[in-house]
Amino acid sequence: ETGVTQTPRHLVMGMTNKKSLKCEQHLGHNAMYWYKQSAKKPLELMFVYNFKEQTENNSVPSRFSPECPNSSHLFLHLHTLQPEDSALYLCASSQDLAGEQFFGPGTRLTVL
Amino acid sequence: ILNVEQSPQSLHVQEGDSTNFTCSFPSSNFYALHWYRWETAKSPEALFVMTLNGDEKKKGRISATLNTKEGYSYLYIKGSQPEDSATYLCAFETGTASKLTFGTGTRLQVTL
Repeated sequence: ETGVTQTPRHLVMGMTNKKSLKCEQHLGHNAMYWYKQSAKKPLELMFVYNFKEQTENNSVPSRFSPECPNSSHLFLHLHTLQPEDSALYLCASSQDLAGEQFFGPGTRLTVL
Repeated sequence: ILNVEQSPQSLHVQEGDSTNFTCSFPSSNFYALHWYRWETAKSPEALFVMTLNGDEKKKGRISATLNTKEGYSYLYIKGSQPEDSATYLCAFETGTASKLTFGTGTRLQVTL
């Protein structure tokens, strides 16, 4: 459970707020991921980073801005979100780009 | 767009029952099939990573089989216990994209 941590666990924000989600992995992995899960939908990949470099942006709106300062930390900066962005945001890491991913517990985001 | 389907969407069984779920995925460009167990308010936990056609993996009372030619995997739980209650996710990994495409999951509830 402590391999990948996410803060905060819950976040409520208004559409004009700016907030950030934080993910930290203690597994020595090189790749990190952001996923979004909306109600009754599968996990959707948002961003992929490998050795701090972004390798995938899955057509995510620019109001979501990721940042990966080092291989252990991943942020998701949120600005001018819409109510339909309310979802569970999960972070994951893996040793390399292929193979088993280890997930954090997620941040439950509500946009009012 | 890759289509990964899981059935049933939800399942309610009694303690001691054995059960199984299905994951269907594209039969082309296969690299791996992942199974995850996701308890409410916790992190998704990897159960199996399956790569070879005909592969069968087992962890305690849980086992999984893989048929890459026809594009399906079965997850079996023998003698279900209340602690098995969770959502079981499968994810398809292609050989080219090195990313996971998830199904919507099967939600299992085991009651006494």
